[in-house]
Amino acid sequence: GQNIDQPTEMTATEGAIVQINCTYQTSGFNGLFWYQQHAGEAPTFLSYNVLDGLEEKGRFSSFLSRSKGYSYLLLKELQMKDSASYLCASSGTYKYIFGTGTRLKVLA
Amino acid sequence: GAGVSQSPSNKVTEKGKDVELRCDPISGHTALYWYRQSLGQGLEFLIYFQGNSAPDKSGLPSDRFSAERTGGSVSTLTIQRTQQEDSAVYLCASSLLSINSGANVLTFGAGSRLTVL
Repeated sequence: GQNIDQPTEMTATEGAIVQINCTYQTSGFNGLFWYQQHAGEAPTFLSYNVLDGLEEKGRFSSFLSRSKGYSYLLLKELQMKDSASYLCASSGTYKYIFGTGTRLKVLA
Repeated sequence: GAGVSQSPSNKVTEKGKDVELRCDPISGHTALYWYRQSLGQGLEFLIYFQGNSAPDKSGLPSDRFSAERTGGSVSTLTIQRTQQEDSAVYLCASSLLSINSGANVLTFGAGSRLTVL
């Protein structure tokens, strides 16, 4: 089957670091994506992993372990504007499967 | 165009009516996807087009849902005899490459919010 699991909600403090985990099962795996979605807006691309390891893009990093079917998104130096939903998506044969998203609240 | 355009942005309809939702992808993007997002939920895959062909229609919830793409560009999602459970935001996304081509980033439109009374 095809399945994505990620926590429903997380809360963190401005300036802190937060890690959002994602586990997946996808046939014909082609890569793992992270998207950010602010309330009422379309998802926007954050990062992509196809090989094991860490990809760093400024304050955001994403990690992938294909053998474990596991990824995480790391957000550093949290800002209030990072309050959003973070969607993990696995690319498989002919489709992307999205998780239900993790709602991140950043508190002052 | 510069981005993915969807219309209408908002549609309120009565139960039993048909609706058509339109997606105009980024020029040159060969792949096009339709997703549905209910309030507070994740994205539910509906259908994927590569060019004008739909290799995977498995996500369409029922035979009331259909989609087509013409000229490798504009796509329409049609919902016949709408039901209240069809109320959701319908998101369209396009990408430059085919789905099996690795770093295949999706660019989403702003969505069409459908409310069925």
